[in-house]
Amino acid sequence: AQSVAQPEDQVNVAEGNPLTVKCTYSVSGNPYLFWYVQYPNRGLQFLLKYITGDNLVKGSYGFEAEFNKSQTSFHLKKPSALVSDSALYFCAVSPLSISTSGTYKYIFGTGTRLKVLA
Amino acid sequence: EAQVTQNPRYLITVTGKKLTVTCSQNMNHEYMSWYRQDPGLGLRQIYYSMNVEVTDKGDVPEGYKVSRKEKRNFPLILESPSPNQTSLYFCASSGETSGRTGEQYFGPGTRLTVT
Repeated sequence: AQSVAQPEDQVNVAEGNPLTVKCTYSVSGNPYLFWYVQYPNRGLQFLLKYITGDNLVKGSYGFEAEFNKSQTSFHLKKPSALVSDSALYFCAVSPLSISTSGTYKYIFGTGTRLKVLA
Repeated sequence: EAQVTQNPRYLITVTGKKLTVTCSQNMNHEYMSWYRQDPGLGLRQIYYSMNVEVTDKGDVPEGYKVSRKEKRNFPLILESPSPNQTSLYFCASSGETSGRTGEQYFGPGTRLTVT
């Protein structure tokens, strides 16, 4: 089955320290990978995506992610965490299957709660 | 302002009473989608659509219906809600038609409780 895994329910990091939020995937074909962030009582916001090209992708708010095909991973990173980075982070992948209409559906991971401690 | 709007934001209803959650986007996006978010399960896709009159089932379509009669609107219909449909629902749209490579823009969410 095609899936996305975020192995950590919660990650705690001290402000100013580097952070990593892990994501691994299992899909057939070329994976297109995304990271989204959800702040309390808000919808998800796009952070970054990997489609093709350079394995290191830079996104919003100083976040970056590294695509590793051999390890089927797409970990989210930031060199120096801020308290304001505390939120719920979701990894997502598409495509999974081609529907009769030519659209693609997403699969999201279960989310990782990042807590940055002052 | 470019946005995805959903209404209502909060809804408490009883089992079996039909309801509709509206979703509208003002970005002229062709791809739209509905998700439900449940603790420990993340977001699961209910239905998605690449254009008017074109819809497809996601991973959890049972008990839901959608329609796409206009490009900007993608309502979610629960014909006979049940308590297991209590959840937080998100509508999203994407400027990339197939939904494959484009980032999605999410609405603020609708918290539904079915008693």
